[in-house]
Formats: sequence, C-alpha cells, structure tokens
Amino acid sequence: DTAVSQTPKYLVTQMGNDKSIKCEQNLGHDTMYWYKQDSKKFLKIMFSYNNKELIINETVPNRFSPKSPDKAHLNLHINSLELGDSAVYFCASSLPGLAGGVTGELFFGEGSRLTVL
Amino acid sequence: DQQVKQNSPSLSVQEGRISILNCDYTNSMFDYFLWYKKYPAEGPTFLISISSIKDKNEDGRFTVFLNKSAKHLSLHIVPSQPGDSAVYFCAARNSGYSTLTFGKGTMLLVSP
Repeated sequence: DTAVSQTPKYLVTQMGNDKSIKCEQNLGHDTMYWYKQDSKKFLKIMFSYNNKELIINETVPNRFSPKSPDKAHLNLHINSLELGDSAVYFCASSLPGLAGGVTGELFFGEGSRLTVL
Repeated sequence: DQQVKQNSPSLSVQEGRISILNCDYTNSMFDYFLWYKKYPAEGPTFLISISSIKDKNEDGRFTVFLNKSAKHLSLHIVPSQPGDSAVYFCAARNSGYSTLTFGKGTMLLVSP
C-alpha cells in the first residue's frame, strides 16, 4: 500500500506537447510538494501546497501549473514542454508546519521520469 | 547558489567498515538537518536527522554529527552493509521557511 504514489512513472514526449503527472498520498498529510531532480542531480523544490492552497512557488515558469483538487492529491500539469524540462519529478508530502513539522520529514513518491525529445 | 554541498559524488567502502558521508552548508538560518537514502528508481526515504541544538544523533548503525561552527555535518554508518549501497542526500531546513534544501547526493557502494 504505497504512501505517496505518482503516475506515470515514465513519460516520453515531444517538445511543445502538454503533459500531466498525478500524485496521491494516503498518509493524511496536509502538505504536498513537487521537487525536480535535473541532470545535475539536485533535488529542487518547485511547489508546496498546504491543504489545497499554494504556499510556495519557487520561480517556476508559468508553463508549470500545479493543481490540488483535495489535500490528498497534487497534480502537475506542464504546457509547451521544452527540452530542459527533462528531469525526474518527485512528489512528496509531510505533516503541516515548517518543512513537515517537528522532524521536517518528507515522504517521497517513486518519481516520474520525463523525457522531452 | 549551492547552500548544501556534498562534494564527494561517490564513496566505496568494504563491508564491515565505516562509511563517512560529508555535507557542508552555507546558510546560518538552517536549523534542522536530515539525511535521505535513495535506491535506483525509488524516491528518497528519510534516514536520520539532527537539530541544530545538538551535535550528535544516533540511530542503530547510523550516526549524524553536526559541527555548527564549521557548518559541517557527517553521516557515519558502522558497520557498513551491501544493502547500504545507495545515494545519500543531505538536506537542511531553513527556520523561516517550509521546505528542505538538498545537496547533490553521494553514491555509496559497499562491497562484500
């Protein structure tokens, strides 16, 4: 029973297309995140949502639009895909508060590898 | 601007020996530090953490040391096991912010 699940796990698409990645968590957490791991291997925060409300947007291009229909789901939609969008995208969740409350622990999904050709 | 740096991209250790993974940071506002472990094709999983008010935290074979004056932390794994082979990410939390800043990771290979 996966705690944080993402779909699809792999996505190959052409430049200019629009694609979505879905994320669901069954941990009862209020806060969810999208992180991007690019070719340089850094894990960088993109967005953070707390109880369906956007609380952090780390200067991500507006081609990226997160949507949280409820606090258990945070989907990522990307318009007009570019080569530089190729990366592994990780969804995560945590307890509310500063980076997961007391411990700061994030629970990650398995990642979605996006390849833009 | 790398606020969390893991300068060793990889480390090889023999089974039974100690593994020491290092991490440096630049932001004095970081108040909590975490280590995550990541296997291929999986997401990072939480391993151990330490508050900035402590200098050591131990959990079984894993110990994290924090040297605030040097802005340095390290993860010790003793004894190392082949199953410990993974990428280890150092992460830090800004006391006034609600996300974690990650390093690039160090790939640990423990050989039998």
